[in-house]
Amino acid sequence: DIQMTQSPSSLSASLGDRVTITCRASQDIGNFLTWFQQKPGKSPRRMIYGATNLEDGVPSRFSGSRSGSDYSLTISSLESEDVADYHCLQSIQCPHSFGAGTKLELK
Amino acid sequence: QVQLKESGPGLVQPSQTLSLTCTVSGFSLTSNSIHWVRQPPGKGLEWVGAIWSGGSTDYNLALKSRLSISRDTSKSQVFLKMNSLQTEDTAIYFCSREGNSGSGDYWGQGVMVTVSS
Repeated sequence: DIQMTQSPSSLSASLGDRVTITCRASQDIGNFLTWFQQKPGKSPRRMIYGATNLEDGVPSRFSGSRSGSDYSLTISSLESEDVADYHCLQSIQCPHSFGAGTKLELK
Repeated sequence: QVQLKESGPGLVQPSQTLSLTCTVSGFSLTSNSIHWVRQPPGKGLEWVGAIWSGGSTDYNLALKSRLSISRDTSKSQVFLKMNSLQTEDTAIYFCSREGNSGSGDYWGQGVMVTVSS
């Protein structure tokens, strides 16, 4: 099985900060990496697919990148509405697997 | 428009069988795959399994012996059955669609399942 190691598990940042969350894959997953945002009591919302593609309607301050087996979600300038949990998912191979999640809070 | 909705019992007794339904609209189950994902209270997401557009299935290896996913394409419904439930199976269960651009483009609202006597 492919393991997705997500870091940090929690993050406290100020409005306007640049925020980066990373997932490391235990095997090659190509660009089969998706990022989801989840707010309390809500279903996950897809933000980035194919490692770098921005979902329609997602603000351009969100971006995804890849460096080898490390995949990153970056928020260029944090806004209050970005406070949420973030999850990565690999879907190149079954069983698919999620990272453990990152809780993003305001400082 | 695309919609998914999970339904099923909110409370299941330990050792019993869970049956959930995901009813979809706005697309065909023969064109898009459906995944089940669960989330224990206060924890992260766990991939449970999938039924592909061609009808084949894949399961989380840790759940495979207890799990079955099937569908009725004429009713636009996908079914999850899990037997021998334990308290650790308490979670919100979501169904999600795999679109042309990949997994998770649309999600249901989720259904909370509590395993308790």
